[in-house]
Amino acid sequence: ILNVEQSPQSLHVQEGDSTNFTCSFPSSNFYALHWYRWETAKSPEALFVMTLNGDEKKKGRISATLNTKEGYSYLYIKGSQPEDSATYLCASPGNQFYFGTGTSLTVIP
Amino acid sequence: GAVVSQHPSRVICKSGTSVKIECRSLDFQATTMFWYRQFPKQSLMLMATSNEGSKATYEQGVEKDKFLINHASLTLSTLTVTSAHPEDSSFYICSASKRRTGVMNTEAFFGQGTRLTVV
Repeated sequence: ILNVEQSPQSLHVQEGDSTNFTCSFPSSNFYALHWYRWETAKSPEALFVMTLNGDEKKKGRISATLNTKEGYSYLYIKGSQPEDSATYLCASPGNQFYFGTGTSLTVIP
Repeated sequence: GAVVSQHPSRVICKSGTSVKIECRSLDFQATTMFWYRQFPKQSLMLMATSNEGSKATYEQGVEKDKFLINHASLTLSTLTVTSAHPEDSSFYICSASKRRTGVMNTEAFFGQGTRLTVV
């Protein structure tokens, strides 16, 4: 099993604060790194798909970086808003599409 | 983005009966579909991966005779929970990809999930 780990498991931040969390994955046989946001009662939605070492992607207040040599990706949220509250999942799919344990983010108004 | 439709969203069945869950890609051809199960307060656990036209690859510990997966077309995969028991009660969710496994550099699209309760 490909071990994809995320930390922290849960996070509470105040509205307006910036935050970040980590996804770590085995660096061998790397294909891609995916980030998804899963809001309650909705389907998980893709945020980013990253493939290149050093890649950095941005969507609004959310950005992500990728280090394939050391096997980690960071997701950053700038100026957190209550609507950012969700579980954030990462996956490093190869022949299987395994997800990490997820980081549950709660933004307190 | 692409749309994946999963139904039913909720189902209650009696112990010993079988339940079929459908996952359809509405506006793209899904060469690969994934079935996940979510245990309480845990993340998504991959059950099996299926490529259209071939047998599903099951993860270790998942009974293939109990969880029958059929991916007969590029737009439909089904998961049948056979002879369901209360311990099969869970949240099941599918996702679909336009790519075959091994080159997952495009996003996966998820269904809405199915809450199965076996009484």
